[in-house]
Amino acid sequence: KNEVEQSPQNLTAQEGEFITINCSYSVGISALHWLQQHPGGGIVSLFMLSSGKKKHGRLIATINIQEKHSSLHITASHPRDSAVYICAVRGSGGSNYKLTFGKGTLLTVNP
Amino acid sequence: ETGVTQTPRHLVMGMTNKKSLKCEQHLGHNAMYWYKQSAKKPLELMFVYSLEERVENNSVPSRFSPECPNSSHLFLHLHTLQPEDSALYLCASSQDWFTDTQYFGPGTRLTVL
Repeated sequence: KNEVEQSPQNLTAQEGEFITINCSYSVGISALHWLQQHPGGGIVSLFMLSSGKKKHGRLIATINIQEKHSSLHITASHPRDSAVYICAVRGSGGSNYKLTFGKGTLLTVNP
Repeated sequence: ETGVTQTPRHLVMGMTNKKSLKCEQHLGHNAMYWYKQSAKKPLELMFVYSLEERVENNSVPSRFSPECPNSSHLFLHLHTLQPEDSALYLCASSQDWFTDTQYFGPGTRLTVL
């Protein structure tokens, strides 16, 4: 079982819909990252958070440390949001500094 | 513009070939990383360099050989690869290897015949 689980694996939405992607993890962490990967491979870091909530434009990321769960929300989705969204966690303490990645959620937003 | 460039973007090689992947970062960062991304699998960390010294070698086969001549450049030398090594190889950099946000390059799509 992967230490980082994302759901759903695939998500198709109509333009304008509110989207939620979930990430659950099983280890203690110092930070959680949300990344976006467009077709062709390039990865962009969207958020790094260790508590609470962050907002950037139409994107909102939340984290609940006690429940070991994070969500990425996209409001008023647009076809250009179509991409793979990846959750990654950084361990806490000792040698657990590495990022552990989820398998990603493929989002397709149709016009 | 992410500030991290990779060349080549695509590479096809035979199992007996020797080739190198190059990564360059223009962000003044101290840490650089190689990742492997195979189909249907999570990103896998291969190597980490901090201030030109290797700080992590994540059980990677010796047919992959990294080189970091300075803090702006990172190479991945490839020799006698296997078809299962076909994947997207991503380079990333960050200000500090422990805590900071990583900035990724566009990747090199490698196919081993």
